[in-house]
Amino acid sequence: NAGVMQNPRHLVRRRGQEARLRCSPMKGHSHVYWYRQLPEEGLKFMVYLQKENIIDESGMPKERFSAEFPKEGPSILRIQQVVRGDSAAYFCASSLDRVVHEQYFGPGTRLTVT
Amino acid sequence: LAKTTQPISMDSYEGQEVNITCSHNNIATNDYITWYQQFPSQGPRFIIQGYKTKVTNEVASLFIPADRKSSTLSLPRVSLSDTAVYYCLVAPSDWAGNMLTFGGGTRLMVKP
Repeated sequence: NAGVMQNPRHLVRRRGQEARLRCSPMKGHSHVYWYRQLPEEGLKFMVYLQKENIIDESGMPKERFSAEFPKEGPSILRIQQVVRGDSAAYFCASSLDRVVHEQYFGPGTRLTVT
Repeated sequence: LAKTTQPISMDSYEGQEVNITCSHNNIATNDYITWYQQFPSQGPRFIIQGYKTKVTNEVASLFIPADRKSSTLSLPRVSLSDTAVYYCLVAPSDWAGNMLTFGGGTRLMVKP
């Protein structure tokens, strides 16, 4: 059973470009979470999605950031007009149910904005 | 969510037992204590979860005193591969979608 997959693993964007991060949850998992980790800091929750629905986006910046989890295909975290402060590792996790300890994390996407 | 406090870093040697304590004075009645491990360039991995007293699995033990205001993750006979950051999380088991922050964690360095 493949784990959570994220791609790309590394992404370099110039200021003002768009970054699109993909997350394929574990097979059978319908709950997806996105976290951001700044260098030398802990993970911070951004958004929680179920298939086709955003359940909680309280941790996501109101501007430039959006997330989706379509009926078919991976979950996408989109960052428009990236700035240097967006440089971070973005982790996706998935779970069968909405429980903390059953979240399985992917390897992350490291975004560098130049 | 209950705020947690952990030591920033710890050093140990191979074969020793390591105990990492997490303080959570404001823990709520329905909160569980969960520990995650994160290796460099990887996502966190669940280690253990508990509510009270003691929980043990093949990886670690978790000790929780009666007042639940702290908890201790115990790693028996650590090896170099246990070098990682360890996060303590306190939240309801069903995690009602509130903002979840892992905090800074404890950086464990295991030396030969």
